[in-house]
Amino acid sequence: GAGVSQSPRYKVAKRGQDVALRCDPISGHVSLFWYQQALGQGPEFLTYFQNEAQLDKSGLPSDRFFAERPEGSVSTLKIQRTQQEDSAVYLCASSPGGGRNNEQFFGPGTRLTVL
Amino acid sequence: DQQVKQNSPSLSVQEGRISILNCDYTNSMFDYFLWYKKYPAEGPTFLISISSIKDKNEDGRFTVFLNKSAKHLSLHIVPSQPGDSAVYFCAANTGANSKLTFGKGITLSVRP
Repeated sequence: GAGVSQSPRYKVAKRGQDVALRCDPISGHVSLFWYQQALGQGPEFLTYFQNEAQLDKSGLPSDRFFAERPEGSVSTLKIQRTQQEDSAVYLCASSPGGGRNNEQFFGPGTRLTVL
Repeated sequence: DQQVKQNSPSLSVQEGRISILNCDYTNSMFDYFLWYKKYPAEGPTFLISISSIKDKNEDGRFTVFLNKSAKHLSLHIVPSQPGDSAVYFCAANTGANSKLTFGKGITLSVRP
């Protein structure tokens, strides 16, 4: 079956540009997470949706980062006025329910490079 | 402040031998622990998990041990196979929500 997909897989942006990263979760999955993985580090939590509701955005590093999931399925992570420190792999994960122990299924990630 | 620590960046073992990957945590609120495996250019893949009410969970060649008093867990792979070569992440969460806190990962190399 189809897993979590993300697009684009690679994105190069000039500093100051806006970017939009897309995540298509597994069909029917209620929960959706965004993580940021810097080089040599583990993934770090950014934000969490349960259906269309953004229940936790405590990990977003600044107000330049914005995420939405308007219909409770596809999600978009938007970064405004990109900076070099935003360069990282952005991972999306989904899980079947809001239960805390549910396994999270990860997409392949979008590698963002800001020049 | 790293709440989940994987202090060894890499491990190399011979095919057929045991691989032991270690993980330490500092947040006593963590009550569920997971191991993920990651190949280059792919997302992390769930491997095995353990609840804090248990001290061992086994799935085929993979066993996770949890020592709550020491805030330490380990992943054992027996026997190790070349296809196990990957980066392994330890992760944990609390009862408050489902977000995962990850360690930095350890690169396992299994030599044929």
